[in-house]
Amino acid sequence: DAGVIQSPRHEVTEMGQEVTLRCKPISGHNSLFWYRQTMMRGLELLIYFNNNVPIDDSGMPEDRFSAKMPNASFSTLKIQPSEPRDSAVYFCASSLSPGGGDTQYFGPGTRLTVL
Amino acid sequence: GEDVEQSLFLSVREGDSSVINCTYTDSSSTYLYWYKQEPGAGLQLLTYIFSNMDMKQDQRLTVLLNKKDKHLSLRIADTQTGDSAIYFCALETDKLIFGTGTRLQVFP
Repeated sequence: DAGVIQSPRHEVTEMGQEVTLRCKPISGHNSLFWYRQTMMRGLELLIYFNNNVPIDDSGMPEDRFSAKMPNASFSTLKIQPSEPRDSAVYFCASSLSPGGGDTQYFGPGTRLTVL
Repeated sequence: GEDVEQSLFLSVREGDSSVINCTYTDSSSTYLYWYKQEPGAGLQLLTYIFSNMDMKQDQRLTVLLNKKDKHLSLRIADTQTGDSAIYFCALETDKLIFGTGTRLQVFP
C-alpha cells in the first residue's frame, strides 16, 4: 500500500485565495483525520470522519475552513478565503477505527504558505 | 480539556540512553502512544501502552507509565543519530490528544 497520500506537498498562495488540500487514506481504513501543525500551537486536530461522516469538527478554526469526504477514498480540506495565519503544515491521517488502539497513519503533509 | 506537556528539547550523545517525558491531566485514556516525526515527514507510531500496564519494552524502546503521577516516559537505549527527530506522546480519549513534542538531538 502506498500509505496516506496528500496533495499538493507545498502550496503558496496569496491572502484571500481559496486553497484546497487533498487526501487519499489507506484503502480499507474507516477513519480519517485532518491535523494542523504550527510552531506556536503544535499539532491540532481539526476534524475527523468515521465512515465518511464528520464526527467531531470542534477543532475547525472558523467558518473559512470546511472539510468533506465524498467517499471512502478521498477527502478535501478547503480554506476560503485564506489568511497569512493559516500558514502551517496540514496533515491527513487514517486508521481502521477512531480509537481502540488502532494506529493512525499520517501522510507526508501539505506545507501551506499564505502571503 | 486534556493538557499534555513535554519538555521542548533533549540533547544526548550517541550511544547513551535518551529519556523523553510526558505529563498529562486526564487519566481516562485507554491507550497512550509515542509518535516520531522526522524532518519534513508526518508522524509515525513508535509504540503504545495500554493503560493497565506499567511498562512495555520493544527492542530499544521502553515505555513506563505511572498512572498515579500521570507521567509517561519513553526510553531509547543506545541512541543513534537516526533517532534525531521530534517525539510526541499522545493520549486517547474520544480522539488523540498530542503533547507539545520533544526535539531529540543526537550528537556524535
